Amino acid sequence: DAGVTQSPTHLIKTRGQQVTLRCSPKSGHDTVSWYQQALGQGPQFIFQYYEEEERQRGNFPDRFSGHQFPNYSSELNVNALLLGDSALYLCASSLAPAGVYEQYFGPGTRLTVT
Amino acid sequence: QKEVEQNSGPLSVPEGAIASLNCTYSDRGSQSFFWYRQYSGKSPELIMSIYSNGDKEDGRFTAQLNKASQYVSLLIRDSQPSDSATYLCAVNGDNNNDMRFGAGTRLTVKP
Repeated sequence: DAGVTQSPTHLIKTRGQQVTLRCSPKSGHDTVSWYQQALGQGPQFIFQYYEEEERQRGNFPDRFSGHQFPNYSSELNVNALLLGDSALYLCASSLAPAGVYEQYFGPGTRLTVT
Repeated sequence: QKEVEQNSGPLSVPEGAIASLNCTYSDRGSQSFFWYRQYSGKSPELIMSIYSNGDKEDGRFTAQLNKASQYVSLLIRDSQPSDSATYLCAVNGDNNNDMRFGAGTRLTVKP
């Protein structure tokens, strides 16, 4: 049973650049959520995609955008990178009818902005 | 007030002891509660979910939920050095479409 996969594992970018991170959900899952985790903090919710649409968004600026494809995989795009965007970016997948659900995380992408 | 609060630790227990991890949350409407384990440099791993008041046991782990007190805990029995990690408490957010995480409690189990 394939788990959640993310690419790339590590990434180094310069301020002002743009980055795209990719995620493939666990087999059978249809919902993808993205989180940002700064060092020493818990993950912070960025947004969630379901049926190729953004279903809910956390408190992140419009520089953060995403997409979900028909095969349920997803991309996270960050424009105009800031030093503060350096973090571990986590993708989590779930099978999410309305109501309770469990999310499973991928290994993450470590983004460093210099 | 933070939405999900945990003691940052570090919490240190001897091997074989019971480790008790606590979490409080602010949103009385929360319905879903999760405990994740995160080893250093790795991503969070789901270890327990609980939705109803009371206890839920899975192997050496027991989750306890008290919605009236807005309190959820995780007990780890017979703690092993391999249990040394950061434990994250997560609570569903608005519309159940996101999770709010605490900052985590770092647990060290000493041989």
